[in-house]
Amino acid sequence: AQTVTQSQPEMSVQEAETVTLSCTYDTSENNYYLFWYKQPPSRQMILVIRQEAYKQQNATENRFSVNFQKAAKSFSLKISDSQLGDTAMYFCAFVSNFGNEKLTFGTGTRLTIIP
Amino acid sequence: DAMVIQNPRYQVTQFGKPVTLSCSQTLNHNVMYWYQQKSSQAPKLLFHYYDKDFNNEADTPDNFQSRRPNTSFCFLDIRSPGLGDAAMYLCATSRERNSGSEQFFGPGTRLTVL
Repeated sequence: AQTVTQSQPEMSVQEAETVTLSCTYDTSENNYYLFWYKQPPSRQMILVIRQEAYKQQNATENRFSVNFQKAAKSFSLKISDSQLGDTAMYFCAFVSNFGNEKLTFGTGTRLTIIP
Repeated sequence: DAMVIQNPRYQVTQFGKPVTLSCSQTLNHNVMYWYQQKSSQAPKLLFHYYDKDFNNEADTPDNFQSRRPNTSFCFLDIRSPGLGDAAMYLCATSRERNSGSEQFFGPGTRLTVL
């Protein structure tokens, strides 16, 4: 079974700074997808960024980028120029490309951006 | 805007009194999911529908049932809520069931059991 580990339950950073959230996962599969989802307080969860395991290039979406290390099974999220609206719970998630399409979530990192 | 809507946002029920949570979507997605999320925990998948095909997770209690009368609507029925069922219930949709599909989440229904 796949597992996803987020070792930082809470983080805080000053506005405009850069922050990196860590995520590691365990799988014996070679083809899969990784996601970062953001859940702001009292608002719905939204997709931040997605990475396909067979792509070596790290995914980027504006201020959000990932450092995908397939051999190390590491998938960290970097938020540059952090903004107050980035305050949220961030979940790392894994899904296999074969058979069971169930998302496996990590336990989340609560990120607070300090004005 | 196309979206996933959940009603009500807050639901209070009594121990053992059946409750139904609803989810609707304007995205015309084939797949609808129900998750249970307890405080400070990751969402836990209860079941999902691919079109009319119902897929239950092995560890979902029998107390939880679901209905999808049409593409747009999906309901979560809790037949006899216990105190341990108090949680946020999230509905999500995706266009297809393949693993790369983004899931779109509703705002959730927070269930309180008295």
